Amino acid sequence: GAVVSQHPSRVICKSGTSVKIECRSLDFQATTMFWYRQFPKQSLMLMATSNEGSKATYEQGVEKDKFLINHASLTLSTLTVTSAHPEDSSFYICSASGRNEKLFFGSGTQLSVL
Amino acid sequence: SQQGEEDPQALSIQEGENATMNCSYKTSINNLQWYRQNSGRGLVHLILIRSNEREKHSGRLRVTLDTSKKSSSLLITASRAADTASYFCATDANSGYSTLTFGKGTMLLVSP
Repeated sequence: GAVVSQHPSRVICKSGTSVKIECRSLDFQATTMFWYRQFPKQSLMLMATSNEGSKATYEQGVEKDKFLINHASLTLSTLTVTSAHPEDSSFYICSASGRNEKLFFGSGTQLSVL
Repeated sequence: SQQGEEDPQALSIQEGENATMNCSYKTSINNLQWYRQNSGRGLVHLILIRSNEREKHSGRLRVTLDTSKKSSSLLITASRAADTASYFCATDANSGYSTLTFGKGTMLLVSP
């Protein structure tokens, strides 16, 4: 099956620093990738849709300048949390669209901002 | 906004028992999918059922879809401790591939 690799799996950073999370499709080309945020025991909240070669489409309420998304190739999308604050602490998950309308998910990144 | 609503929110059963989770949604869909998430991990696709299908099986999984009631159920038969996870339904409202809308999930605990 298709594999999506996401890293780091866990990051702890100081308030005010920026954190980059990578999402790679390992064995298929993903023109579209999705970034989600998940709070404990909650569902996934779609943050943005990342399109290769074009600007990401952000969901309402998601700050574009805060969560920078770059999808420079068909196999890589990155999410950068800029000037992170404790309220940005969360579980971030990426996914990529594969064949047959399924989504393939990365293993997630637990971000803790001190 | 979340379209799918799973119930129950949490389910605790013994190994060998069957587990049934339900999902309701509000708008028309192209397909409905079920995903599983182990704690602190990404989601894994389990099964997809299209709007013109009523039932689908995959191993110990059985999914039903009732478009008139806008609801779906996921049945896991002969549950195992390894089935312990959160289960999410996700609806796809558009033709072809598009953004899925996830429900809030059911946390399933299977005790040995």
